Amino acid sequence: SYELTQSPSVSVSPGQTATITCSGNALSNQYAYWYQQKPGQAPVLVLSKDSERPSGIPERFSGSSSDTTVTLTISGVQAEDEAEYYCQAADSSALHVLFGGGTKLTVV
Amino acid sequence: QVQLVQSGAEVKKPGASVKVSCKASGFSFTNYDINWVRQAPGQGLEWMGWMNAKSGNTGYAQSFQGRVTMTRDISISTAYMVLSSLSSEDTAVYYCARAPPLELELRYWGPGTLVTVSS
Repeated sequence: SYELTQSPSVSVSPGQTATITCSGNALSNQYAYWYQQKPGQAPVLVLSKDSERPSGIPERFSGSSSDTTVTLTISGVQAEDEAEYYCQAADSSALHVLFGGGTKLTVV
Repeated sequence: QVQLVQSGAEVKKPGASVKVSCKASGFSFTNYDINWVRQAPGQGLEWMGWMNAKSGNTGYAQSFQGRVTMTRDISISTAYMVLSSLSSEDTAVYYCARAPPLELELRYWGPGTLVTVSS
C-alpha cells in the first residue's frame, strides 16, 4: 500500500532553520501539500504544489522536491511555528489521497 | 469571506450511523469539491474522500468504502458525510475542507465535529 513517511519530530532553537521531509514513491510525479496544525485547531495550508505559498503564509516557509522526497523548510523559526506538520499527496493513480504521519516541530 | 460551518458534536452507540453537515458560505458552492478528513484523539490526519459539489460525484478512501456516503444539498450550500456501522475506532474529529475540483489543495477547513462512539 502507498505511504507517505515523515520523521516523527524535529527540534530547533528560535532563529534556526527547521527542515521537515516527506517521502513516498508517488512524489516523483505528484504534487505535495503541507499543513500546519496547532493543538485544538483545524489544519492550515502552508504550502501548495510542493513550493507555492498561499497568501498570508510568511516567507520563511518554503518547499522543494527531489525525486521521491519533498521538503518543508522554515527559515528563522519562531516560537509560533511550534506545531504538527503534515504532508499530503495522491498516489500514482491520483485516485487516493494520503497524509503523512505528521512531524512535531518543537521550538526550544 | 469563505466559511465552512459544521454541525455540533455527536455521541453515538456502536453500530449506529452519524451524519455530519458542512455549510458553506462566502463562495460559489458548486465550483468546488468538499473533502472530509478525520483525526482520532492524539493521532494524525486521515483522508476519507471527496465530493464534487456540482455533480455530486464522489471518491472514497478504500478504508471507508461501503461505510461512508457523501452528499450535498445545493439549495442550502451544504455538504453531508454519513458514516455507518460505527465502532469505538471511529471516535474522532471530522473536518470538511474545500478544494478546487479534482485537486488536493485544502485551503479552507471547517472547525471540526467531534464524534464519540461509546456504549
